[in-house]
Amino acid sequence: NAGVTQTPKFQVLKTGQSMTLQCAQDMNHNSMYWYRQDPGMGLRLIYYSASEGTTDKGEVPNGYNVSRLNKREFSLRLESAAPSQTSVYFCASSVLWGAGELFFGEGSRLTVL
Amino acid sequence: KNEVEQSPQNLTAQEGEFITINCSYSVGISALHWLQQHPGGGIVSLFMLSSGKKKHGRLIATINIQEKHSSLHITASHPRDSAVYICAVMDYGGSQGNLIFGKGTKLSVKP
Repeated sequence: NAGVTQTPKFQVLKTGQSMTLQCAQDMNHNSMYWYRQDPGMGLRLIYYSASEGTTDKGEVPNGYNVSRLNKREFSLRLESAAPSQTSVYFCASSVLWGAGELFFGEGSRLTVL
Repeated sequence: KNEVEQSPQNLTAQEGEFITINCSYSVGISALHWLQQHPGGGIVSLFMLSSGKKKHGRLIATINIQEKHSSLHITASHPRDSAVYICAVMDYGGSQGNLIFGKGTKLSVKP
């Protein structure tokens, strides 16, 4: 049982390049989330998908887009990467929106030069 | 504004010691989560609670809703408990289903 799988685990980008972080869960969860984690700060919500077919902005959505491809998959896209987007990104899922235990992926470390 | 405050920020203990990590919050909540993050690793959910006390192995989590305070206790600590422990609250009035995270407590258990 893989849980939440995100790829890639590491990525280095140049300013202005684009990339997509992929996330998939095999627990039949309705809700999925993208967070970023920066030194000295708590995890911050970028975007979430309460259920298949819906996506909503979180606390720090600027510079990002998301796609809920199906119930399993939720991707995060950086259209034009900036150094301020250097961070560790975590995908998470839960059975219900805003409720229930959270299951996290292993994280993706992104560096933008 | 810091809606979720954890203390201490850093904690060093000797193997076998009883450890307490505290979390205070300022908003009305529907649930509180305790998470564990090992160095360079992913994040694992330890507890989700809305009242009282929960126990799993050597870990105990308590919450006092009236005082807006939760504690995570580790009995008979072990070096493998070394990790960052994160408290997060589900804001009762939040419309985004958003968890508010503390900055974490870094625990180091020495053999």
